[in-house]
Amino acid sequence: EVQLVESGGGLVQPGESLRLSCAASGFSFRDYYMDWVRQAPGKGLEWVGRIRNKAGRYTTDFAASVKGRFIISRDDSKYSLFLQMNSLKTEDTAVYYCARDNWGIDFWGQGTLVTVSS
Amino acid sequence: QSVLTQPPSVSGTPGQRVTISCSGSSSNIGSHDVFWYQHLPGTAPKVLIHRNNERPLGVPDRFSGSKSGTSASLAISGLRSEDEADYYCSAWDDSLSGRVFGGGTKLTVL
Repeated sequence: EVQLVESGGGLVQPGESLRLSCAASGFSFRDYYMDWVRQAPGKGLEWVGRIRNKAGRYTTDFAASVKGRFIISRDDSKYSLFLQMNSLKTEDTAVYYCARDNWGIDFWGQGTLVTVSS
Repeated sequence: QSVLTQPPSVSGTPGQRVTISCSGSSSNIGSHDVFWYQHLPGTAPKVLIHRNNERPLGVPDRFSGSKSGTSASLAISGLRSEDEADYYCSAWDDSLSGRVFGGGTKLTVL
């Protein structure tokens, strides 16, 4: 059974950093691209970014709203995906979802809440 | 303002058929596959349709997808109360070099 479990969310102040993790199981993690998607309170889904697999040289793409502030990395040996969020803004407040990318997102985690507030 | 345009809401009565549209452009829907998701608050979104019109295992055949040019649509037949949820379309966008979503459509079963 495919499982994606996010962790690391919490309350931080504007300008601070936070690192989210996603533990994957039930599929060959190393073969897939992986994405992060977020949903702000009362808003729709917003794609944050993705990381390719080893064949794609682990390169990353980001939404304009987070480019230069967020970093995505992965540890294939530990079936883990990470989202390093720096210089956080109040508008980054959202539930963050880890997702498997198979020419489109085909599986999602339950999400972890990040609140940026003073 | 979302790159993909969906109606904010649709409604129907049990047993009816409803459709949700998703309008894009040549850089997204016109060039790439469309995925559809069902999202209930507090839960993980679930893929209903992938690659424009394919249903993953376990998704009832009441759900169907289609695509023509730069638009796509999701049809739900035999509407049930448990279908009440938010529905999103998504595709890759070459101009933005990123994945884009529609603004979401809230389905109400009257």
